[in-house]
Amino acid sequence: DVKVTQSSRYLVKRTGEKVFLECVQDMDHENMFWYRQDPGLGLRLIYFSYDVKMKEKGDIPEGYSVSREKKERFSLILESASTNQTSMYLCASSLVSGRWSYNEQFFGPGTRLTVL
Amino acid sequence: DQQVKQNSPSLSVQEGRISILNCDYTNSMFDYFLWYKKYPAEGPTFLISISSIKDKNEDGRFTVFLNKSAKHLSLHIVPSQPGDSAVYFCAASRRSGGTSYGKLTFGQGTILTVHP
Repeated sequence: DVKVTQSSRYLVKRTGEKVFLECVQDMDHENMFWYRQDPGLGLRLIYFSYDVKMKEKGDIPEGYSVSREKKERFSLILESASTNQTSMYLCASSLVSGRWSYNEQFFGPGTRLTVL
Repeated sequence: DQQVKQNSPSLSVQEGRISILNCDYTNSMFDYFLWYKKYPAEGPTFLISISSIKDKNEDGRFTVFLNKSAKHLSLHIVPSQPGDSAVYFCAASRRSGGTSYGKLTFGQGTILTVHP
């Protein structure tokens, strides 16, 4: 079974703090994704990575950055947390076969971040 | 611009009856569709998918129907069980015509409640 783990289930931070959210997958997946989930808005893609050190902006990258130094680990960074970044953050990964990316993504349990 | 829409925020169904969850999309380039199920405090889990070359895919109690001309898909759950109570997200992807990296565009989600 694919396992995607996230470093914290719940996190409370103060406005202006730098926040790191860590995600690790154990199935050697090439693609990794960060989403945020908000009521009425569904899951929105923040950033994704298709290889080590490679990253692409998603639909809502403003205020976020990412890091992928190792294949299994994908970090989301909030450079200066703000209250509108209070949300559920979900990490996912998916497999690549040749040039083909599988669409089925495997998700971690999520991190509920509250910014005060 | 919401390219994938689930217009019903919630649905309530009696145990044993059929649940029908709907999803509309606007981007005609989407050619692969997925449904995910999410319980509180857990990440979404893949449920069922359908390629645009099909109009129906079935897996046990779950059937997904795709109407390409209407840009509409639906998930049927028969019979519905209390354990099916969760948030259901539809997602769309573009598999052909270039590198998509397996990116998904999600709808807002529908909360399904199945009453005993």
